[in-house]
Amino acid sequence: KQEVTQIPAALSVPEGENLVLNCSFTDSAIYNLQWFRQDPGKGLTSLLLIQSSQREQTSGRLNASLDKSSGRSTLYIAASQPGDSATYLCAVRGPSGSARQLTFGSGTQLTVLP
Amino acid sequence: EAGVTQSPTHLIKTRGQQATLRCSPISGHTSVYWYQQALGLGLQFLLWYDEGEERNRGNFPPRFSGRQFPNYSSELNVNALELEDSALYLCASYLVGYEQYFGPGTRLTVT
Repeated sequence: KQEVTQIPAALSVPEGENLVLNCSFTDSAIYNLQWFRQDPGKGLTSLLLIQSSQREQTSGRLNASLDKSSGRSTLYIAASQPGDSATYLCAVRGPSGSARQLTFGSGTQLTVLP
Repeated sequence: EAGVTQSPTHLIKTRGQQATLRCSPISGHTSVYWYQQALGLGLQFLLWYDEGEERNRGNFPPRFSGRQFPNYSSELNVNALELEDSALYLCASYLVGYEQYFGPGTRLTVT
């Protein structure tokens, strides 16, 4: 059974800092990995999607890497801003058949202080 | 293009009642996933529908059921509501080869 772990559970940084959020998964047989952002009481906003054959994806100040063999992904946020404050969730999707749903980590709650 | 929509936004029910939640996927998407986000438990997979059929379900009792209509919209039904069913229910739509897109969710409160 796939398990996804995110470290740290919470992170508080001053505005302008670069930061790294970590995600690990137990079964390397994944189809893809997604990073999401969730604001309090709201739905999920997809940030980056990395297919299993890819090593990284970039969007603006965000960069996500994937090391499938070691079961790890990182989300790098450059020059953090108070508007980046949210919970960041990592999720992996199984390769086929009944495992196609996303398995989520418990999230990292990020606070960027002005 | 419209995103995933869910209704209602909020739903308040009493223990023992039934709740019905609705989801409309992005046009062209044939798969709908349902997830539950209960306080302190994270996002848990509930049900997956594709082309009108239930393809997989998570570790939830049979009180949780649903269906997918010919237009690919979906309904989640929760019978005999219990207090611990209070949660944010998220629906996601999916097209093969792309990412899952999530709706804004339905907040279910059971009193």
